[in-house]
Amino acid sequence: LAKTTQPISMDSYEGQEVNITCSHNNIATNDYITWYQQFPSQGPRFIIQGYKTKVTNEVASLFIPADRKSSTLSLPRVSLSDTAVYYCLVEDGGYNKLIFGAGTRLAVHP
Amino acid sequence: DTGVSQNPRHKITKRGQNVTFRCDPISEHNRLYWYRQTLGQGPEFLTYFQNEAQLEKSRLLSDRFSAERPKGSFSTLEIQRTEQGDSAMYLCASSSQGDEQYFGPGTRLTVT
Repeated sequence: LAKTTQPISMDSYEGQEVNITCSHNNIATNDYITWYQQFPSQGPRFIIQGYKTKVTNEVASLFIPADRKSSTLSLPRVSLSDTAVYYCLVEDGGYNKLIFGAGTRLAVHP
Repeated sequence: DTGVSQNPRHKITKRGQNVTFRCDPISEHNRLYWYRQTLGQGPEFLTYFQNEAQLEKSRLLSDRFSAERPKGSFSTLEIQRTEQGDSAMYLCASSSQGDEQYFGPGTRLTVT
């Protein structure tokens, strides 16, 4: 079973910032938080990974509070091409098997 | 393109037939994974190789399913005596130890 809970769907408009929150109440000490993006008829694509505080790369930021029981993926200024399913996963950083939930379907509107 | 490739991209077969899918990982990656994804769900782990050794298999991988990775390079996933419930997208991913998984485009199987 997935160890995370996230909203089933979200809607946004072009140019807005989108924040997707994920709950992982039972996260283990050695678990990392990882986000993947998936477009229809494609495999998932790694977006970002973090352990605590804030991580930023060229496409997104990941905010993790001190208790690590939740995390927020932030997508700045989304475009139509960001319409996809976003998966939040927790895993031990050894990159063994990934356990996916149903993800969050983000729809970006013009 | 040096990403993960999968063949075929689509496969339609009749119930009871055997099918085989191929995955070519990124060349320097020693880990290879197979997942299955049905409509509206996230991918489900099936099995994992490190080099040529199959280190873990999900209970989803019934005795009709077999995966190989000879010589630690490409991998094949075979489904014998296909059933309609086997219809899904079969995804392959590869990684180097300690790095994120890179997924291929998947093989969509339809069992009629």
